[in-house]
Amino acid sequence: SQQGEEDPQALSIQEGENATMNCSYKTSINNLQWYRQNSGRGLVHLILIRSNEREKHSGRLRVTLDTSKKSSSLLITASRAADTASYFCATENNQGGKLIFGQGTELSVKP
Amino acid sequence: DADVTQTPRNRITKTGKRIMLECSQTKGHDRMYWYRQDPGLGLRLIYYSFDVKDINKGEISDGYSVSRQAQAKFSLSLESAIPNQTALYFCATSDPRQGQRYEQYFGPGTRLTVT
Repeated sequence: SQQGEEDPQALSIQEGENATMNCSYKTSINNLQWYRQNSGRGLVHLILIRSNEREKHSGRLRVTLDTSKKSSSLLITASRAADTASYFCATENNQGGKLIFGQGTELSVKP
Repeated sequence: DADVTQTPRNRITKTGKRIMLECSQTKGHDRMYWYRQDPGLGLRLIYYSFDVKDINKGEISDGYSVSRQAQAKFSLSLESAIPNQTALYFCATSDPRQGQRYEQYFGPGTRLTVT
């Protein structure tokens, strides 16, 4: 069964707007990761946040983690058409090494 | 050159045929993984290997087998393909020696169609 559930399943915004995607999970984790997938291609790692961290930034990306609510959010600021892709959260539990992926959010950024 | 390569990139096969998907990596990582992706279901783990002598079943291993021929090579086989194995298959690698980080590096995928 899937660990992560993502919300929304699809998001359409205009260039320049911010995009927020949410991820919920069920069990204790070691870390949570976000990946990006362009249509039909392999996933690319974006950012990792450890269970003892609450917020992390990387360029236009901001990730938050609330372990009490078992949820995370990914914010992409000032979105660009090139950000159009599917975004997946993935959790690694305390046993280490395996990731369990959510179902993904399909982001469309219109020029 | 890509760090994680998969062959073939596309394959159409018939029900009942045996097929092998291959993955090679030049990253020097010990850990390798096979996933399948279906529309609306995200990625699901089929098998994973933490080193050459270590093979483990994932969430959906039925109907699949794997072989870790070397640190750099990890193959996935469908002994008798069936139509519901039509999917996009990804290989990935990771290296836990990178300071406890388990980010994974993905190949470009193999699109498999079973008719």
